[in-house]
Amino acid sequence: DAKTTQPPSMDCAEGRAANLPCNHSTISGNEYVYWYRQIHSQGPQYIIHGLKNNETNEMASLIITEDRKSSTLILPHATLRDTAVYYCIVKGYNFNKFYFGSGTKLNVKP
Amino acid sequence: GAVVSQHPSWVICKSGTSVKIECRSLDFQATTMFWYRQFPKQSLMLMATSNEGSKATYEQGVEKDKFLINHASLTLSTLTVTSAHPEDSSFYICSGEIRVNTDTQYFGPGTRLTVL
Repeated sequence: DAKTTQPPSMDCAEGRAANLPCNHSTISGNEYVYWYRQIHSQGPQYIIHGLKNNETNEMASLIITEDRKSSTLILPHATLRDTAVYYCIVKGYNFNKFYFGSGTKLNVKP
Repeated sequence: GAVVSQHPSWVICKSGTSVKIECRSLDFQATTMFWYRQFPKQSLMLMATSNEGSKATYEQGVEKDKFLINHASLTLSTLTVTSAHPEDSSFYICSGEIRVNTDTQYFGPGTRLTVL
């Protein structure tokens, strides 16, 4: 599976959009990009995933670059409850294991 | 939908005893479940992959005789930490996999194990 690189931490003002980047320059054609978040002392929560098209759901939007070497998770209106560690994971379709990196600690501030 | 529960949510035990942690998928059937371990301020580390009705597959460095995994049904997997020691104190998290179009895992809330 491709490795991912994320900034260790980011700050965001409450009510503003939070844009979390992820670099996956070695991604291969059949690998998906998944995003999860982990609020302190809880299990990870699924957010969104995609292959090459941009995706949007009720939680977030996922923007994948045309060359698929990077992606951005967008939380359109961050709240204090969005403070968490956000993990970007790349996984092949026929490979079902998730290997978590160190993630990005998003701090949403009032 | 896609809810996974774990029981207990926390447990304290004495060194040398065994502890069993249950992982249940409440609203879906999980052919495959996964067990992770997380130490303070670290990321999740995959321990093993559990397939219903077959033996679990352990990641390199994880002792299969110490961490016994049973996946007896499509909604239940158990992890037993045998002869627990203080260094086994950790946050144990399970997940169930839904295979629709792509494989997405849904995680339980975790179990905090403290071995005295």
